Amino acid sequence: KAGVTQTPRYLIKTRGQQVTLSCSPISGHRSVSWYQQTPGQGLQFLFEYFSETQRNKGNFPGRFSGRQFSNSRSEMNVSTLELGDSALYLCASSLGIGGTTGDNLYEQYFGPGTRLTVT
Amino acid sequence: LAKTTQPISMDSYEGQEVNITCSHNNIATNDYITWYQQFPSQGPRFIIQGYKTKVTNEVASLFIPADRKSSTLSLPRVSLSDTAVYYCLAYSGGYQKVTFGTGTKLQVIP
Repeated sequence: KAGVTQTPRYLIKTRGQQVTLSCSPISGHRSVSWYQQTPGQGLQFLFEYFSETQRNKGNFPGRFSGRQFSNSRSEMNVSTLELGDSALYLCASSLGIGGTTGDNLYEQYFGPGTRLTVT
Repeated sequence: LAKTTQPISMDSYEGQEVNITCSHNNIATNDYITWYQQFPSQGPRFIIQGYKTKVTNEVASLFIPADRKSSTLSLPRVSLSDTAVYYCLAYSGGYQKVTFGTGTKLQVIP
């Protein structure tokens, strides 16, 4: 089956602008999580959506927001971009609930990421 | 949410077995231990998951002692393509936040 897709793959924005990133999970997956990865901070959890509801949120300012649609696709928005927002933004999908016997229940499948550069 | 501690980096020669140990002293009863592999500019990739004792799949083995306060990822006969960052996580999914630590950067030397 098709993997997690993220668009766009690369993005260059200037300070103060806003950006929207998109993630399409694996078919049948209802949970989508977003992560920010930078060389200095590593992989940091942004938020997780399950059935169109935000279920968990990391320690990021309110400029970072997201949503999930009824088809499980998710978008992430960053407003008033800062230089420090330059990062690789990763989306991961998972079943989000207990699977059938033999499933790796908490396995997340990551997309290739969106490389955001803020100038 | 269990905090994990891993060595920052490791070097190994091709063909050797590599063991990466992760400490998770405050692991909860419902937490599973999961390892991911990440190559530069790619998303992490699931390697293996376990709850206790030993789990083996086609690429790795995971050893978890009875107290579950640590775990060891074992990669048999590593090759240059195994050079990557390896992350250990302990979580129970659902309503928990999934936190990746700094990971272990494995460098395989020819």
